[in-house]
Amino acid sequence: QQQVKQSPQSLIVQKGGIPIINCAYENTAFDYFPWYQQFPGKGPALLIAIRPDVSEKKEGRFTISFNKSAKQFSLHIMDSQPGDSATYFCAASRAGGSYIPTFGRGTSLIVHP
Amino acid sequence: GAVVSQHPSRVICKSGTSVKIECRSLDFQATTMFWYRQFPKQSLMLMATSNEGSKATYEQGVEKDKFLINHASLTLSTLTVTSAHPEDSSFYICSASASSNTEAFFGQGTRLTVV
Repeated sequence: QQQVKQSPQSLIVQKGGIPIINCAYENTAFDYFPWYQQFPGKGPALLIAIRPDVSEKKEGRFTISFNKSAKQFSLHIMDSQPGDSATYFCAASRAGGSYIPTFGRGTSLIVHP
Repeated sequence: GAVVSQHPSRVICKSGTSVKIECRSLDFQATTMFWYRQFPKQSLMLMATSNEGSKATYEQGVEKDKFLINHASLTLSTLTVTSAHPEDSSFYICSASASSNTEAFFGQGTRLTVV
C-alpha cells in the first residue's frame, strides 16, 4: 500500500518555467511533510518542509502548498533553472513518534536551458 | 545544517565477499540512524532503524543476517553486506537524527557493485 502518492513521474520544463509536483497522503496521523532533492549518485537533501498548521510555505524559489482537508501537498519551483534538474521526493512522517519519512515514488525534473 | 558522512561513496567487490559501509554524524550525536536501499529510478526503501547501543530493527523482508547493522557509538553506524551477490548491487543511503523527535539528515550514499 503506497501511503504517499506522487505525480508526475517525470517533468520537463523550459528555464523560467514553474514545475509543479503533487503528492497525496492517506494517513491522517502524518504531521510533517518534507520535500527532498536528489542529484544522481548523491543522497537526498532536505529542500523545504511544512507542517499542517499552515497552508503555504516559501523558501527562496521553492514553495509548498498544503491542503489538509484534501490530504494533498505540492511543490512549486519558481523561475526554474537548469541546476534544478534533479529527482524530487515528497515525504510524510509523524513528528510526534519519529521522523522516519514515508517517501513518494519521486519525480524526475529536467529544466532545459 | 547537520552533516552526515558516508564512506565509501563507491565500492566494487567480488561475489561472496563482505562489504562494510560507514555512516558518521560529524557535528551532532545521532541516537538513531536509518539505512535505506535505492534501486535505479526508484524511491528509497527503508531497510532498518538502529538506535545507539541496541539491536537494529529491520523492516519486513530485509534479511538481518545478510545486512548486519552496528550502531556502537553516537556518531557511527555501519552496514555490512555479508556474502554479497550481484543482486545486492544497489545504492545504499544512511540517515541520522539526534533523537526520535528531530529531523534526520542523509549521507551522500554508497554505490555498491558486486561482480
